[in-house]
Amino acid sequence: DVVLTQSPLSLPVTLGQPASISCKSSQSLVDSNGNTYLHWFQQRPGQSPRRLIYKVSNRDSGVPDRFSGSGSGTDFTLKISRVEAEDVGVYYCTQGSHWPPWTFGQGTKVEI
Amino acid sequence: EVQLVESGGRLVQPGESLRLSCEASGFTFSTYWMQWVRQAPGKGLVWVSHINSDGSSTTYADSVRGRFTISRDNAKNTLYLQMNSLRAEDTATYYCVRDNWGIDYWGQGTLVTVSS
Repeated sequence: DVVLTQSPLSLPVTLGQPASISCKSSQSLVDSNGNTYLHWFQQRPGQSPRRLIYKVSNRDSGVPDRFSGSGSGTDFTLKISRVEAEDVGVYYCTQGSHWPPWTFGQGTKVEI
Repeated sequence: EVQLVESGGRLVQPGESLRLSCEASGFTFSTYWMQWVRQAPGKGLVWVSHINSDGSSTTYADSVRGRFTISRDNAKNTLYLQMNSLRAEDTATYYCVRDNWGIDYWGQGTLVTVSS
């Protein structure tokens, strides 16, 4: 099974400042067709998860452009260019390149 | 607008059974793979099961294989999760999710509590 390791697990942030979350995979997430199915989700307190980024670096519709994703192979990063109060929550990376199982990182709690 | 609405979660005793449902709308349900993902209280996200678009292929997490069964009724736009021999460690919010070359949309979740 693919293991996704996020760091840090807790991220205190300052409003208006940048923030970065790492997601490292136990194996390359490039599938047999050359696609990399690494996605990022945000879960605000009391809400269901919401996808922010799909296939490493593609922002979902309605996601502010302060969110960006990057990486390749086994190392991936989610960046928030300027943290806003509504960004508080838990962020998860997930992979769908090698399934089953689909796997998630442990989650990173972002708090002001 | 894509909507996924789960139902069926409640308090049950260990060893009992429960069936969760997920009504889908806003997209052509019969053309998408679907999954169940769960989240124990205060914990992270864990994949439970997947089913392909016509229901002919299913997969399960090791922790639920042999006890849970995923199914779908494309005529009713509904996904199901039959949960048998429930254990305390199955206590979680269960989310119905759409798989569009990766999970995209999530339901609001339904809480299953297994306790005596």
